Amino acid sequence: GEDVEQSLFLSVREGDSSVINCTYTDSSSTYLYWYKQEPGAGLQLLTYIFSNMDMKQDQRLTVLLNKKDKHLSLRIADTQTGDSAIYFCAQRASGYSTLTFGKGTMLLVSP
Amino acid sequence: DTAVSQTPKYLVTQMGNDKSIKCEQNLGHDTMYWYKQDSKKFLKIMFSYNNKELIINETVPNRFSPKSPDKAHLNLHINSLELGDSAVYFCASSQDLPGTASNQPQHFGDGTRLSIL
Repeated sequence: GEDVEQSLFLSVREGDSSVINCTYTDSSSTYLYWYKQEPGAGLQLLTYIFSNMDMKQDQRLTVLLNKKDKHLSLRIADTQTGDSAIYFCAQRASGYSTLTFGKGTMLLVSP
Repeated sequence: DTAVSQTPKYLVTQMGNDKSIKCEQNLGHDTMYWYKQDSKKFLKIMFSYNNKELIINETVPNRFSPKSPDKAHLNLHINSLELGDSAVYFCASSQDLPGTASNQPQHFGDGTRLSIL
């Protein structure tokens, strides 16, 4: 079965880097995604990575994928208070269009 | 311009009632989804439709009946509402064909917060 695990909570100070970790079990995962959910809002796609890549950088965001360990991380450089939100890791298995989500990591950024 | 729009945003109703949630996307996507997010923020797929046809039904009770009049709309009708149906329901869409490994991301609506009294 598919399973995606994340730590539930992360607290950082403004200006620090944040690293949110995710592990998944389905080795047939082809794409892995990071979504952001602000309070009372929907899910905003932040970035995604294909399983044949090991790193992707997009401005302040860096995604690292260790396919051998089935470990995915999202690094946010120079974290701002506006980055406070819940971050969801999601995987898409080969041949399927639906996503399996982790339970989300709540990131709290303090001034 | 809203890409995926859901109505209503909030829905408060009594146990046993029947209610509908509407979803429309103006992205020209072929595939639409309904997800349920429970009080612990856990997101789980309910249904997936491609070109008005049901593709995935993830063991959702028969009280939930999705309807897709055209590929831009996927509505969710819920009969005999129960306390456990209280959640946030998210609609999403993507330009995918089932059975293909596409990188097209899913775009989500802002959610419908359903509260059962």
